[in-house]
Amino acid sequence: QKEVEQNSGPLSVPEGAIASLNCTYSDRGSQSFFWYRQYSGKSPELIMFIYSNGDKEDGRFTAQLNKASQYVSLLIRDSQPSDSATYLCAVNGYGANQAGTALIFGKGTTLSVSS
Amino acid sequence: GAVVSQHPSRVICKSGTSVKIECRSLDFQATTMFWYRQFPKQSLMLMATSNEGSKATYEQGVEKDKFLINHASLTLSTLTVTSAHPEDSSFYICSAPRRGLASDEQYFGPGTRLTVT
Repeated sequence: QKEVEQNSGPLSVPEGAIASLNCTYSDRGSQSFFWYRQYSGKSPELIMFIYSNGDKEDGRFTAQLNKASQYVSLLIRDSQPSDSATYLCAVNGYGANQAGTALIFGKGTTLSVSS
Repeated sequence: GAVVSQHPSRVICKSGTSVKIECRSLDFQATTMFWYRQFPKQSLMLMATSNEGSKATYEQGVEKDKFLINHASLTLSTLTVTSAHPEDSSFYICSAPRRGLASDEQYFGPGTRLTVT
């Protein structure tokens, strides 16, 4: 059973601080890693994806991947109250269609940024 | 703007009735679409893969006779919850990979909130 693990939180940070979100995955064969943000009652929206070991930066967001440790993280710099949401880590998986295009999601980490 | 739409966004039905949810890719063709379900405080769980021109493939534990999937065209997949019961109340979300991006990048629809009374 392929699994993606995240701390459920809540993770509370003050405005302007760095928020660090972590995720581990069980399948060493996973190739693609995604971070989604989900507001309450809404559908997930893609923040970043990463395929290679190392860091990938996009604005205030940095994704970090370490395949040897099966670990992926998301850093949010200069956190804003509008960043308050649930952050879902997702890994490509093989659904019943065996096409490798389905996503396996973690349960998400709730982030709260206080002003 | 949105690239995947869902309809309806919210539906309330009585136990025993059937509900159809539509998922459309708006400006691209999707031979494959995915249906997820999310219960409160839980993560998204893949239910099935919808394949244009062929039968859907269902994840373990998902009843294919209860959750009917039809991929009628390259831009439309429908999920019908048959004989719905209160335990089927959930947030149903579809997604589609978009041509031109990495094969497993997906765009999600806005979701459908189903409440069965």
